[in-house]
Amino acid sequence: QSVLTQPPSVSGAPGQRVTISCTGSSSNIGAGYGVHWYQQLPGTAPKLLIYGNNNRPSGVPDRFSVSKSGTSASLAITGLQADDEGDYYCQSYDSSLSGLYVFGTGTKVTVL
Amino acid sequence: QDLLVQSGAEVKRPGASVRVSCKASGYTFNNYAITWVRQAPGQGLEWMGWISGYNGNTNYAQKFQGRVTVTADTSTSTAYMELRSLRSDDTAIYHCARAPVLGDSGWFDPWGQGTMVTVSS
Repeated sequence: QSVLTQPPSVSGAPGQRVTISCTGSSSNIGAGYGVHWYQQLPGTAPKLLIYGNNNRPSGVPDRFSVSKSGTSASLAITGLQADDEGDYYCQSYDSSLSGLYVFGTGTKVTVL
Repeated sequence: QDLLVQSGAEVKRPGASVRVSCKASGYTFNNYAITWVRQAPGQGLEWMGWISGYNGNTNYAQKFQGRVTVTADTSTSTAYMELRSLRSDDTAIYHCARAPVLGDSGWFDPWGQGTMVTVSS
């Protein structure tokens, strides 16, 4: 099954900026399909964080932003806060025969 | 508000089957699909399958083909996921989420609260 590759962990001090990369292939991100991001706080279900081109569900601050280029995408968190600590996943559609959708491997964000 | 509520935790023996339900409310079930995602303890998210609330079309991850079946009852706005021939490595939290109705590029929102399935002898 195709997967999107993310760094296992990133960390930063409160107020700093961190970025999370999401690397795919020509059957998903590289084919132009949208990349969407989820936040999973400890002990909770994943929650949609950003969809498509920097679209944020109600309540998500603009400290979270995304970019995309080629077969990769990135999530940036500016003004890092303690309650940003958790796991972050990217997700996209995949046109290969292994299934419709793929997730990133997940990145744990630690606030120092 | 749009909500997905899942059935409760299950404990199963190896080789058994499990059926998890996901009841939708707050939106028109037929206008969306339901997708299923699992998360093993300490692991990441793994996409399993999808069913359209519009026409009942399904699609499964290759890894689960032949072992998983996703169904939907539009009269009760409820989707079901059945996983057969359970193994210990199927121990995980199983989530449902609302998904694009045509199975094209799109996102998952909202998510159910998750159902813990434990496979143990």
